[in-house]
Amino acid sequence: EVQLVESGGGLVHPGGSLRVSCAASGLSSSDHEMDWVRQAPGKGLEWVGRTKEKINRYTTDYAASVQGRFSISRDESKNSLHLQMNNLKTEDTALYYCVAYIEGYPYWGQGTLVTVSS
Amino acid sequence: DIVLTQSPGTLSLSPGERVTLSCRASQSLTTKNLAWYHQKPGQAPRLLIYDASSTATGIPDRFSGSGSGTDFTLTISRLESEDFAVYYCQQYGVSPIAFGQGTNLEIK
Repeated sequence: EVQLVESGGGLVHPGGSLRVSCAASGLSSSDHEMDWVRQAPGKGLEWVGRTKEKINRYTTDYAASVQGRFSISRDESKNSLHLQMNNLKTEDTALYYCVAYIEGYPYWGQGTLVTVSS
Repeated sequence: DIVLTQSPGTLSLSPGERVTLSCRASQSLTTKNLAWYHQKPGQAPRLLIYDASSTATGIPDRFSGSGSGTDFTLTISRLESEDFAVYYCQQYGVSPIAFGQGTNLEIK
């Protein structure tokens, strides 16, 4: 059974940094494209970024709203995905989900809450 | 960049009715990677349809998806009480990935 478990969310001040993680089980995450998606309170779903699979050198792509501030990385040894968020803004407050795609089938975690506030 | 526009924004219906939701892409999708989700308050999105017309694991057969190119639809043949939620479409084949703004399906 595929499971994605996000962690690392919390309260951070504007301008601060935070790293959230996604632990994968039931799949070898290095073999699959994975995304980060977020949802601000009371709002819709917003794509944050993508990392391609190992065969495609883990190439990353980001939404314009986070380009230059956020970065995605993988830890093969722990079968996990990370989202490093720098220079955080109040508008980055959201529930952050990781998503894995296996043969066109999206699997979602339950999310981790990031709150940016002074 | 591809923009997905869902219609209608809000729909008020009764249990037992049939409903069709629309998702229109600003340019033709070159892959079939179009998904539908519903989401209830306080819950993560739940996958209903992937690859435009394939039903996700555990989803009742009253849900069906169709479409290609720029026009996609989600049909619920007979609404049940648990189906009232917000519905989103997503194209996940090409970056930047896009979500529609959502359709709020509410009980009449």
